[in-house]
Formats: sequence, structure tokens, C-alpha cells
Amino acid sequence: GDSVTQMEGPVTLSEEAFLTINCTYTATGYPSLFWYVQYPGEGLQLLLKATKADDKGSNKGFEATYRKETTSFHLEKGSVQVSDSAVYFCALSVQHTGGFKTIFGAGTRLFVKA
Amino acid sequence: DTGVSQNPRHKITKRGQNVTFRCDPISEHNRLYWYRQTLGQGPEFLTYFQNEAQLEKSRLLSDRFSAERPKGSFSTLEIQRTEQGDSAMYLCASSLAAGAPHGYTFGSGTRLTVV
Repeated sequence: GDSVTQMEGPVTLSEEAFLTINCTYTATGYPSLFWYVQYPGEGLQLLLKATKADDKGSNKGFEATYRKETTSFHLEKGSVQVSDSAVYFCALSVQHTGGFKTIFGAGTRLFVKA
Repeated sequence: DTGVSQNPRHKITKRGQNVTFRCDPISEHNRLYWYRQTLGQGPEFLTYFQNEAQLEKSRLLSDRFSAERPKGSFSTLEIQRTEQGDSAMYLCASSLAAGAPHGYTFGSGTRLTVV
């Protein structure tokens, strides 16, 4: 079935370090791919998305490229800040009965130290 | 419109009691989703509505769970005879229906603790 696998956390970085969070997926058909972020005590917020192969989603300095050949959608940021500390979820959306269904990975917790 | 609103934010209940949660989606979104999130895990799909029609239910949604969206606006999720395993964060999300996936707008969730 459709699934998303993320690298296990926590990931601990110093401020201004480079961030990569790996995400790979399994899907029938052609999914759309997303990254969501969850800050403590809050719901998930959409961070970026890509709807077809080779698309690059970007937002707030984060970016991810839809790689169909490696079924991956790795999240990157060139210089992290303390305020980026959160849990990041990779997700895919596939068409199903009556619409689209979104499946989430288990999440990767990021700690950024000052 | 201030986004997706969920009430209550927290609910502590005794095992065996019934609980009901409410979700008010973004007004122009006609799709509404319920997810459950346990500690250290990603959200798991429970059910979704397009307008007032409930189009899909997960196998996670046992007979003790029921969801409604009577007028295609707000939705309620009821859990009857709660069990300790029901303790989780219950997330509501909404989205537009047309075209390619737009991504969801999530509420802040209702954290349920069954004691």
C-alpha cells in the first residue's frame, strides 16, 4: 500500500547549520508530496508541496524536490534557526474514492541549539 | 475566517464515558477530515466528508466512533464508552475539493486523556 518513510529523529543542529531530513515514499499512481511542520501544542501547518516529478517546493528557506526516480522528497534548509525547532512530517496525497487521501510519515523532531 | 477551529482543546474523561469533539472548518472548504495522532507518530486517517456526505471511514474507526457533518459546515466526532487506548490528539483538517491536492489546513487539535 501507499506509505511514507522518514528518517528517525531527533535531529539536533546548531544554529546556522545545514538541514536535511530524508523522506521516501511508496505509492501507486502519481502522488502529490508535502511537508508539514508541527510546533509544540499546535496542529500541523503546511510548509511546502510539489505535485509532479522534478517540481521543487519552497517556503521560508525550506525546499524539497520531487524525485520520481528515487521516490524521494528530502527537506533541506541552508541555515537553520532556533525557531525552526519543531516536528516535520512528510506526506503524500493520492487519489481515491471521491477525492484525495493524505498519508503521513511518523515525523522527525528537529532541535536547533543557539 | 481564522482557520480551522477545534473544541475543546483538552478533554479528560473517565473510562466508559462518552465524549464529543467539534470542528469548524474554513468556510469555503467543502472537504473535512478527522485524523488521530498518538505520541511520536504521524496523523492517522479516521474519516472524511465532502459537504455533508461521509465518503470514507478508516478501519481504525470502530463502532464506538461516529462522525457527522449535518449541514456541510461544522463536524462532530463522538467516542462512546471510551477506553484508555483512545487517548490521543484528534486533529481536524479541511481543504478545497477541486483540482490537485491543495494541502490541508489543520486545527490545533483536541487532546483526549482517558483515565
